[in-house]
Amino acid sequence: GAVVSQHPSRVICKSGTSVKIECRSLDFQATTMFWYRQFPKQSLMLMATSNEGSKATYEQGVEKDKFLINHASLTLSTLTVTSAHPEDSSFYICSASRGIDYGYTFGSGTRLTVV
Amino acid sequence: DQQVKQNSPSLSVQEGRISILNCDYTNSMFDYFLWYKKYPAEGPTFLISISSIKDKNEDGRFTVFLNKSAKHLSLHIVPSQPGDSAVYFCAASLFKAAGNKLTFGGGTRVLVKP
Repeated sequence: GAVVSQHPSRVICKSGTSVKIECRSLDFQATTMFWYRQFPKQSLMLMATSNEGSKATYEQGVEKDKFLINHASLTLSTLTVTSAHPEDSSFYICSASRGIDYGYTFGSGTRLTVV
Repeated sequence: DQQVKQNSPSLSVQEGRISILNCDYTNSMFDYFLWYKKYPAEGPTFLISISSIKDKNEDGRFTVFLNKSAKHLSLHIVPSQPGDSAVYFCAASLFKAAGNKLTFGGGTRVLVKP
């Protein structure tokens, strides 16, 4: 079945640094990937839709210059949290779909802690 | 503006009994609905989905019911097992829309007691 790998699973970084999170579709090509953020005991909030070969589509209120998304190939999307601050600490999850007739597979998530 | 709502934040049920999780939505353009199960610090795992052309879909112990006129769907788990203890999210999509992004409800934490 469809497998989505997300790396790293956990990262601690210093305030002001940047962190890159990778999302790979291992056994299928994903023209579209999605990045979500989850705060403790809250729902998954869609941050952006990552489109292969083109610019990401960001949800309202999400700073595109802070959360850089690159979808350079059909199997890899990256989310870079730039100039991270403690309030960026959260659980980030990616998902991918083969297409409209298929479901959505989620990565295992990345716990980001900014100190 | 929450387009997908799960009004019960938690549910406790005895092992072997039925768990019923509810979900309401406001956007009548949604036509594809999914349920996910999530453990802490893990990504959601797909459980079951339903298209708006159906009112019921069953897969093993899981059944999803859709009432389009009421903009309401529910997930039935029977019999409930201790391993079902997790947070359950319903999600909705504009099935034919480009990108097919999902809108999630707030989640319901289920505890199945042995």
